[in-house]
Amino acid sequence: EAGVAQSPRYKIIEKRQSVAFWCNPISGHATLYWYQQILGQGPKLLIQFQNNGVVDDSQLPKDRFSAERLKGVDSTLKIQPAKLEDSAVYLCASSLLSGLSSTEAFFGQGTRLTVV
Amino acid sequence: DAKTTQPPSMDCAEGRAANLPCNHSTISGNEYVYWYRQIHSQGPQYIIHGLKNNETNEMASLIITEDRKSSTLILPHATLRDTAVYYCIGGNSGGYQKVTFGTGTKLQVIP
Repeated sequence: EAGVAQSPRYKIIEKRQSVAFWCNPISGHATLYWYQQILGQGPKLLIQFQNNGVVDDSQLPKDRFSAERLKGVDSTLKIQPAKLEDSAVYLCASSLLSGLSSTEAFFGQGTRLTVV
Repeated sequence: DAKTTQPPSMDCAEGRAANLPCNHSTISGNEYVYWYRQIHSQGPQYIIHGLKNNETNEMASLIITEDRKSSTLILPHATLRDTAVYYCIGGNSGGYQKVTFGTGTKLQVIP
């Protein structure tokens, strides 16, 4: 089974520029997550989709970050404008629709963003 | 989500069992305990999960206390490739799966 695909793997931009990341989850997975992982810290959940609806975006800095998941499949995460503190690895993950049952999440390799 | 507490780091000799503890005293009755690990420069990898009973798979065993306030992940024969950060997570609140990471335990397997 193909895993979670992310692109690009690396990105370097100047502060105040914009950037977008793309994620293709595992086929059939209804739940999609975006995480931000700053060096030395655990991943921080930014947004969670169930199909194409948002179920949690409480930690998404909405003044500069946006995410969408059209047709409940692929997703993009955008930062506009970027700040130095946005330098991090951005991880995408997916899992089966679970309801009250348990399911594991599968992670992509991540996109390493450096803002200079 | 349950708040979890883990030691920041541990060492284990290669070939020995690695026992990684986790405290999740605020876990609710329908929340599962999940363990993930993250090897350097890779995305997190699922290891195992459980609700009440102890669980075992090809990677590890999970021992959950009867009161569900703590658990232990056991890697029976640690290898150098098991060197990673291990995260204990309480999840599945609000009727949907939620995976929120803490700071984890950095396990160093020593030759």
